[in-house]
Amino acid sequence: GQQLNQSPQSMFIQEGEDVSMNCTSSSIFNTWLWYKQDPGEGPVLLIALYKAGELTSNGRLTAQFGITRKDSFLNISASIPSDVGIYFCAGGFHSGGSNYKLTFGKGTLLTVNP
Amino acid sequence: DAGITQSPRHKVTETGTPVTLRCHQTENHRYMYWYRQDPGHGLRLIHYSYGVKDTDKGEVSDGYSVSRSKTEDFLLTLESATSSQTSVYFCAISSRTSGGTDTQYFGPGTRLTVL
Repeated sequence: GQQLNQSPQSMFIQEGEDVSMNCTSSSIFNTWLWYKQDPGEGPVLLIALYKAGELTSNGRLTAQFGITRKDSFLNISASIPSDVGIYFCAGGFHSGGSNYKLTFGKGTLLTVNP
Repeated sequence: DAGITQSPRHKVTETGTPVTLRCHQTENHRYMYWYRQDPGHGLRLIHYSYGVKDTDKGEVSDGYSVSRSKTEDFLLTLESATSSQTSVYFCAISSRTSGGTDTQYFGPGTRLTVL
């Protein structure tokens, strides 16, 4: 089945630094989604990407849908302590009808040192 | 925030007992999903629904059943809970576009412990 490789697994940075994480796959996707999860809560959607090459921003967050449709990255600029959490990528593939599958990366744990 | 609630939020039960988790949405979305989240495995799809009474299996469906009798409610049942089903369970909803793109929104989760 489809698998996503998300890296890095964890990051420890200083407040104010920029952060970059990415997901790669051997399979193509129609959609790339990025989520953030805080402890004890459900994943919250940050950015959704629907077209190859698409670059989308949400405040200090920027994400891109790779041209090959097999990868995506998420950048966070000028990190702040509340950016702490686990970031997940998810790739979606629709093969017709109700047949749709969303595959998740295993997450990047971000720690921000004030 | 997407209008998704899950109940209960926490549950402790014993091996062999039946357990039902409820997901309720106020968004009138067609698609609903149940995932489990475990360390080292990430989010894995258990079952999903693409309409009232229309459901299908995900990648880890063994030991689970689902039902959807109304658009707003999606129930996950563990017929006879086992310790391997100790996990955090998330419900998600989505409104799929005609082009097939699908953006899923998650509920707050249910932490289930099977002793």
